[in-house]
Amino acid sequence: GAGVSQSPSNKVTEKGKDVELRCDPISGHTALYWYRQSLGQGLEFLIYFQGNSAPDKSGLPSDRFSAERTGGSVSTLTIQRTQQEDSAVYLCASSLKIGLRFFGQGTRLTVV
Amino acid sequence: RKEVEQDPGPFNVPEGATVAFNCTYSNSASQSFFWYRQDCRKEPKLLMSVYSSGNEDGRFTAQLNRASQYISLLIRDSKLSDSATYLCVVILTTDSWGKLQFGAGTQVVVTP
Repeated sequence: GAGVSQSPSNKVTEKGKDVELRCDPISGHTALYWYRQSLGQGLEFLIYFQGNSAPDKSGLPSDRFSAERTGGSVSTLTIQRTQQEDSAVYLCASSLKIGLRFFGQGTRLTVV
Repeated sequence: RKEVEQDPGPFNVPEGATVAFNCTYSNSASQSFFWYRQDCRKEPKLLMSVYSSGNEDGRFTAQLNRASQYISLLIRDSKLSDSATYLCVVILTTDSWGKLQFGAGTQVVVTP
């Protein structure tokens, strides 16, 4: 597609439930990133995929968070046993060059 | 101490005026710098890279001061459409591509 696509755009879930967030990067972009942004806060790095290399998972806040990227394209971020502090906007970005992130519009997750 | 710090603002600027603000970074190993713009409830978008010698893009001027470890953004002849949050982004030499360090942003409000 023309840009990074994320789905769903909004998700409300009950505490303790699992959620899956999807990201379709720009076609041909080898690098894919997940960030999250809490209200009034900066972006927090979560995980990064680059080609066939092992992902950099160092930003994942707990073992409830995991992500995979199938076929070098679509990525899914999974949050298990959601907690209220997981409420945030989850942003996916892709790039070809360092620094030149193209962000999707994000998934606004609300845990109630 | 945060890796990247910004004055949250808001900077209230009359239309047509000039506004400038800084971003400080704590790690001298920082190698690349960018400014992103984020409109309310939208995804961040790359505004401009910051080069060692300083650079301009239309009404926007970015500067880097390695000795004092800060970058700056200056907006001339402010337009109402410049109202946004400006995010400072730093990449460390010791980090992978994924770990862009984002500041929490400086809010600029241009008033008629």
